[in-house]
Amino acid sequence: NAGVTQTPKFQVLKTGQSMTLQCAQDMNHNSMYWYRQDPGMGLRLIYYSASEGTTDKGEVPNGYNVSRLNKREFSLRLESAAPSQTSVYFCASVTGRSYEQYFGPGTRLTVT
Amino acid sequence: DAKTTQPPSMDCAEGRAANLPCNHSTISGNEYVYWYRQIHSQGPQYIIHGLKNNETNEMASLIITEDRKSSTLILPHATLRDTAVYYCIVRDGGDTNAGKSTFGDGTTLTVKP
Repeated sequence: NAGVTQTPKFQVLKTGQSMTLQCAQDMNHNSMYWYRQDPGMGLRLIYYSASEGTTDKGEVPNGYNVSRLNKREFSLRLESAAPSQTSVYFCASVTGRSYEQYFGPGTRLTVT
Repeated sequence: DAKTTQPPSMDCAEGRAANLPCNHSTISGNEYVYWYRQIHSQGPQYIIHGLKNNETNEMASLIITEDRKSSTLILPHATLRDTAVYYCIVRDGGDTNAGKSTFGDGTTLTVKP
């Protein structure tokens, strides 16, 4: 039981490049979320998916797209990376009854 | 969702109880209080949550005031490994509000030998 896994762990992009961050969970949860965390700050919600096939915007969705491929996987795509998107990205999987969030180890992204 | 207010930092002696306060004066009747912590740069870890009754688990206790406008997370015997940023968040438990939970800046707890 791996919980929540994220790939890659680290990534460096040049401005304008694109990439997809992958997240997978093996806890059979319906809901999954993507957050970003800038240095010294709290987490901000980018997008979330309450169930397979549905996605909704969070607090800071601009510059991102998401895809809930199936119940296990929720990916985050940066179409044209900008330096302002340099951050640590966390994926979370959420229990259905009590809405506890279980987080992955994060992806550290630097955009130069 | 209701906003929360936490002190930016606190110290605690190893072996003593750590009491972390959180104000959520605009909390609504169907919103739960959740606590998480983040050690170094790891992903946040769920600790405990409650609605209006006090709660206890193997990690901590959660005390919610009768008017629900504030709460306290208690780590009964703090260890050096409890040094972390602690986040208090409130959110509605309904499916339609899935994802609508806001993490503020939290409280940095430093446990000292």
